[in-house]
Amino acid sequence: AQSVTQPDIHITVSEGASLELRCNYSYGATPYLFWYVQSPGQGLQLLLKYFSGDTLVQGIKGFEAEFKRSQSSFNLRKPSVHWSDAAEYFCAVGAESGGNYQLIWGAGTKLIIKP
Amino acid sequence: DAGVTQSPTHLIKTRGQHVTLRCSPISGHKSVSWYQQVLGQGPQFIFQYYEKEERGRGNFPDRFSARQFPNYSSELNVNALLLGDSALYLCASSSRDREAFFGQGTRLTVV
Repeated sequence: AQSVTQPDIHITVSEGASLELRCNYSYGATPYLFWYVQSPGQGLQLLLKYFSGDTLVQGIKGFEAEFKRSQSSFNLRKPSVHWSDAAEYFCAVGAESGGNYQLIWGAGTKLIIKP
Repeated sequence: DAGVTQSPTHLIKTRGQHVTLRCSPISGHKSVSWYQQVLGQGPQFIFQYYEKEERGRGNFPDRFSARQFPNYSSELNVNALLLGDSALYLCASSSRDREAFFGQGTRLTVV
């Protein structure tokens, strides 16, 4: 079955420190991969996406992610976090079957920034 | 350009009632999807519509239904509301390239 796992429910980092949020997926074909960010009570904003090609993708707000097929992973990174990055981060796989396309989501990782 | 717009933003309903949520996609986008996000969890797929036809349905009871209009806007209907239907309902629109753009959501509280 298709699934997305975000193993860390919460992560706390100091402002200015580097960040890596983990995402592992289970999907039979080459996946469409996404990272979204959600501030409290808000909708979802796309940070970056991977469809094909270069496995290191750059996104908005200084985020990047690397697709590793051998590890079925799509980890999100940022070299230096800012207090405004505090939010919940969701990894998603775009799954297609018989003309039906849907996003399958991880449970999210809540990022807490220490001053 | 306007993004995805959803209405209302907040809603309180009583158990057993019916609710209609509305979504207007980004201009030019013909696909609309609905997701339910329960507090503390990731979104769950409910429906996808493309060119006014249902293209996909998630694992939700028949109390949930939706439709898409000729202008590509969409409605999500939920009948016989249960307390467990309390959630943030998200609408996403997309074009052919599979990138989904989300609205701010409708927060539904069932009491």
